[in-house]
Amino acid sequence: GQSLEQPSEVTAVEGAIVQINCTYQTSGFYGLSWYQQHDGGAPTFLSYNALDGLEETGRFSSFLSRSDSYGYLLLQELQMKDSASYFCAVVNYGQNFVFGPGTRLSVLP
Amino acid sequence: DTEVTQTPKHLVMGMTNKKSLKCEQHMGHRAMYWYKQKAKKPPELMFVYSYEKLSINESVPSRFSPECPNSSLLNLHLHALQPEDSALYLCASSQDRSSEDEQYFGPGTRLTVT
Repeated sequence: GQSLEQPSEVTAVEGAIVQINCTYQTSGFYGLSWYQQHDGGAPTFLSYNALDGLEETGRFSSFLSRSDSYGYLLLQELQMKDSASYFCAVVNYGQNFVFGPGTRLSVLP
Repeated sequence: DTEVTQTPKHLVMGMTNKKSLKCEQHMGHRAMYWYKQKAKKPPELMFVYSYEKLSINESVPSRFSPECPNSSLLNLHLHALQPEDSALYLCASSQDRSSEDEQYFGPGTRLTVT
């Protein structure tokens, strides 16, 4: 089977930096994706890591450690519009694409 | 065009009704997905089509019936649904199954079963 864990909620203030962690247990692991979903909206792809290390895309960065079965999404210079749910998702060989439970990020003024 | 469209946006149906959800993409993607999402939960995979062939059926009840008429269209036929089937139904596409890390989602159909 597969399982993913994320914190259920994170709160931070505008301009701050926040890290959302994701741990996973799965066989045939290939990579870890991150998606953002605003209330009432559709999930939007943010990033993907197949190799260990940090991938940077503007204010957002994503990190993967395959040996620790762990990844995180780093959001810098937080803005109010970043308030949303963030999902990690596992890509597996021969298995299904599975979303983590999601982390609800609230950005306060 | 990086858009996935879904119709209708909202649907209310009784337990004896038959209805269909529609999804369309014109990105040339060859993998398409149906997900079900309940409030405050992650999307749950229901069906995957790869090159218009059903690749994965996640043991979804037979009251949900997918159809892929061509590489751009995906339908979900609904019949004899239960109130617990009320949810947001999301369609997504990716270049192919090997690119499923990056999926493009439609806005969803919010389904209420009465």
